[in-house]
Amino acid sequence: GQQLNQSPQSMFIQEGEDVSMNCTSSSIFNTWLWYKQDPGEGPVLLIALYKAGELTSNGRLTAQFGITRKDSFLNISASIPSDVGIYFCAVPGKTGSARQLTFGSGTQLTVLP
Amino acid sequence: KAGVTQTPRYLIKTRGQQVTLSCSPISGHRSVSWYQQTPGQGLQFLFEYFSETQRNKGNFPGRFSGRQFSNSRSEMNVSTLELGDSALYLCASSTGGGETEAFFGQGTRLTVV
Repeated sequence: GQQLNQSPQSMFIQEGEDVSMNCTSSSIFNTWLWYKQDPGEGPVLLIALYKAGELTSNGRLTAQFGITRKDSFLNISASIPSDVGIYFCAVPGKTGSARQLTFGSGTQLTVLP
Repeated sequence: KAGVTQTPRYLIKTRGQQVTLSCSPISGHRSVSWYQQTPGQGLQFLFEYFSETQRNKGNFPGRFSGRQFSNSRSEMNVSTLELGDSALYLCASSTGGGETEAFFGQGTRLTVV
């Protein structure tokens, strides 16, 4: 089945630093999604990517859809304490829609003051 | 507009018992997907319901089942609970079409002792 390799598994950074994380797969996808999960909450969609090579921003967050369609990257600039949480990449499953998502293993982000 | 509501938020059950979790989707959404989140396996798709019918199913044993009512509310049931069923159970709602955004509830934290 589909498998997404997400790295790094965890990150400890100083407030104000930039963060990068990525997901790779051996399969090709037409959509890449990035979610954030705060402690005690469900995942919330941050950015959706629909086209190979696409670069999309949402505030301090920027995500890229890899040109090979097998990977995606998420960058967070000038991190702040509320960036703490788990970040997941995800792709639609066999339905091709959000009804069935496959998630990466997550990147646990800790921002130190 | 109310979000996705899951009840209860926390549950403690004993091995061998059964449990029922509830999910009320966003008003107007007809698709409800269920996911299991554990530290070891991450977020895994259980099944999806649309118009009271199970439309997609993940790779979980038959002890995991669900149903959907005419008002789109969904329940999932786990019978003969095992210690390994301890997890955060999340539901996600979407319109049920080809869109790629799903909205997650806060989840139900199930602990099996």
